[in-house]
Formats: sequence, structure tokens, C-alpha cells
Amino acid sequence: QQQVKQSPQSLIVQKGGISIINCAYENTAFDYFPWYQQFPGKGPALLIAIRPDVSEKKEGRFTISFNKSAKQFSLHIMDSQPGDSATYFCAASKRSSGYSTLTFGKGTMLLVSP
Amino acid sequence: DARVTQTPRHKVTEMGQEVTMRCQPILGHNTVFWYRQTMMQGLELLAYFRNRAPLDDSGMPKDRFSAEMPDATLATLKIQPSEPRDSAVYFCASALEGTEAFFGQGTRLTVV
Repeated sequence: QQQVKQSPQSLIVQKGGISIINCAYENTAFDYFPWYQQFPGKGPALLIAIRPDVSEKKEGRFTISFNKSAKQFSLHIMDSQPGDSATYFCAASKRSSGYSTLTFGKGTMLLVSP
Repeated sequence: DARVTQTPRHKVTEMGQEVTMRCQPILGHNTVFWYRQTMMQGLELLAYFRNRAPLDDSGMPKDRFSAEMPDATLATLKIQPSEPRDSAVYFCASALEGTEAFFGQGTRLTVV
């Protein structure tokens, strides 16, 4: 059972465009939703995260939109740059329980063309 | 520069051989995770420890995989015997309880 579903699997965006990656979760006990960025040969690194008490969080060119009723959240990358080309993973966890194990989506390979 | 260190970075081994992967968590972090990454399954949690005690290893094939933390500075993941289907990138991550998890660079395992 896949608890976090991510789409699309891959995405090609022109430089300066907006990249949008979507995730849906099933477990309503999840209360923390991070996005990770992974470059080839590297481990995933935290990019931005949101809790369900807010509907949007913005950090620079990266924005998470969160829809609690639909159990969906998305990552928007504004003014996408070639350096943003990487694999992006959404994740979810139950932080309130004190545990921080992450359930990951299957990832989106983003290519930003020059 | 605090980071999670994994060794080896790459390992090629023959089917049936024992493989041991090591992880040095960030100093002071009390939670350690092992994840496996494959194209088909993505990132899967294999096991995690808090204060060196195993809390959950339900994601790990018990018959051939074992995970331990001999001390606070070392976590190990062992596969015995290894099989071709174990080929994957294995990541260790560490966290201070309830905070962000930091990932190592992974061990790329190839079993031939």
C-alpha cells in the first residue's frame, strides 16, 4: 500500500518556467510534509516542509501548497533554473508522536532545459 | 561540517557473500534510519534506531538483513547472504529526536 503518491514521474520545464509536482497522502495521522531534493550520487536533502495548520509556505523560489481536506500537497518551483534539475521527493511523517520516520513518494525527475 | 558518513560508497559483491555497510551519524543525533532506494520502489525504510535501540525493522527482510548500533557513533547494516535483488543504494540518515533527518551519500551495492 503506497501511502504517499507522487506525480508526475518526470517533468521537463524550460528555464524560467514553473515546475509543479503533486503528492497525495492517505494517512490522516500524518502531520508533517517535507520535500527533499536529490542530485545524482547524493543523498536526499531537505528543501522545504509544511505542517497542516497552514495552507502555503514559501521559501525563495520554492512554495508548498497544502490542501488538508483533499489530502494533497504540491511543490511549486518558480523561475525554474537548470541547477534545479534533480529528483524531488515528497514525504510525510507523524511528528507529533515523537517519531520522525518518513514515508516517501516515488520521486519526480525534473529537468530544466536552458 | 556535520554530516552523516557512509562507507563504503560503492560495493560490488558476488551473490552469497556477506555485505556490511557502515554509517557514522551526526554527533549528538540520537535517531538513525536505514533506507533503501531502487528505481522501482523508491525510498523504503528498512529500520530505525533511537538511542541505539531498534524501534522498527519491519521493512527489513529478517532472514538475511540485520541492523545494529554497536555504539552511538556507528550503525551497521549487514546482508548475509546477499542476492542480486539486494542491488540498490542504501542510505543512512540521522536526526535529533523529532527534528529533521539528514542523509548520508549512500552506499551503492551491486550483487552479481
